[in-house]
Amino acid sequence: NAGVTQTPKFQVLKTGQSMTLQCAQDMNHEYMSWYRQDPGMGLRLIHYSVGAGITDQGEVPNGYNVSRSTTEDFPLRLLSAAPSQTSVYFCASSPQPGLDDTQYFGPGTRLTVL
Amino acid sequence: LAKTTQPISMDSYEGQEVNITCSHNNIATNDYITWYQQFPSQGPRFIIQGYKTKVTNEVASLFIPADRKSSTLSLTRVSLSDTAVYYCLARYSGGGADGLTFGKGTHLIIQP
Repeated sequence: NAGVTQTPKFQVLKTGQSMTLQCAQDMNHEYMSWYRQDPGMGLRLIHYSVGAGITDQGEVPNGYNVSRSTTEDFPLRLLSAAPSQTSVYFCASSPQPGLDDTQYFGPGTRLTVL
Repeated sequence: LAKTTQPISMDSYEGQEVNITCSHNNIATNDYITWYQQFPSQGPRFIIQGYKTKVTNEVASLFIPADRKSSTLSLTRVSLSDTAVYYCLARYSGGGADGLTFGKGTHLIIQP
């Protein structure tokens, strides 16, 4: 059981480039979410999904897209990277909101936008 | 989602008991109190959750008074490896699927 995995671990982009951060979980969790964490800050919710085919916006969704075609995968797309998106990105999954909303986090992706 | 307030940082020494108090004055009837722990360069990790009175597991204890307007995370006989950021959350666990809101947490530093 690998839990929540994220790739890549590190990434450097130039302003305007696009890329996809990958997230996968093998726990058959319905709920998945993406957070960003900036230095000295808590985590802020970007997007979340309550199941395959369903996504919704969190607190800071601008500049990011998500899709959920399978239960296992929840990729985060940066459409046109900006320096303000330099951050550490965490993906998380949860068994079933309302019954067990304990969130399991991945190891994170450290993104730098030049 | 109830707003929570906790100290920005705390210091202690190995072998001591550490208590981190979290205020949640506007906690709702259906809100649970949950604590996460985050080590540097890692994602947060769930450590304990409770509704009222006392909950204990292998990692920590959680004390919640009758009015539920605050809660205290207790770590006994801390070691250097307990140095981490601890987040307190109070949220509805009855169907909400809108993610968790993490504040800045409490940075706990354990010294030798």
